[in-house]
Amino acid sequence: GQNIDQPTEMTATEGAIVQINCTYQTSGFNGLFWYQQHAGEAPTFLSYNVLDGLEEKGRFSSFLSRSKGYSYLLLKELQMKDSASYLCAFLSGAGSYQLTFGKGTKLSVIP
Amino acid sequence: EAQVTQNPRYLITVTGKKLTVTCSQNMNHEYMSWYRQDPGLGLRQIYYSMNVEVTDKGDVPEGYKVSRKEKRNFPLILESPSPNQTSLYFCASSLLAVPDTQYFGPGTRLTVL
Repeated sequence: GQNIDQPTEMTATEGAIVQINCTYQTSGFNGLFWYQQHAGEAPTFLSYNVLDGLEEKGRFSSFLSRSKGYSYLLLKELQMKDSASYLCAFLSGAGSYQLTFGKGTKLSVIP
Repeated sequence: EAQVTQNPRYLITVTGKKLTVTCSQNMNHEYMSWYRQDPGLGLRQIYYSMNVEVTDKGDVPEGYKVSRKEKRNFPLILESPSPNQTSLYFCASSLLAVPDTQYFGPGTRLTVL
């Protein structure tokens, strides 16, 4: 079956680094997404990994290991505005482009 | 301005009264999708469309219908709404048929009494 899991909540200090993990199980795979969602707002796209490895975009990096069914989002130099929910999602393959989201990780950045 | 629009933004209705939530994008995107978001359950995909006249089920399609007659529009239809369809609904679109970067609409908060 298909399954995706991420921690419910995390807290980190302003200026620090935080890693949000995501594990998934699926029979077909076409990539792993990360989205950011501030309270009361729509999700916004952060990253899309198709191949194994680390992709860096400014303060945010995303890592994928397809063999382990594992991804993480790394946020550096945390700012108060990074307080939000972070959603991981995988895209099914094999002719289906269905997106399955995790329940989201609520990150609180404290001074 | 490039955007995804949804209407209405807020709706309170009663059980069994058919309703349509519209979604429109002005970016000539191929992929469009509907999601519902519920506390504790996260974002779940209802239906998606990879192109005009091509639609497919997501994780939770029961009780919903969609159509994609034009590239820019992807309405969500609830033929006979029930209270368990009370939720926050998002429409999203992506340039390519494979949704590498999705842009979300502002959301529609639906309450079914």
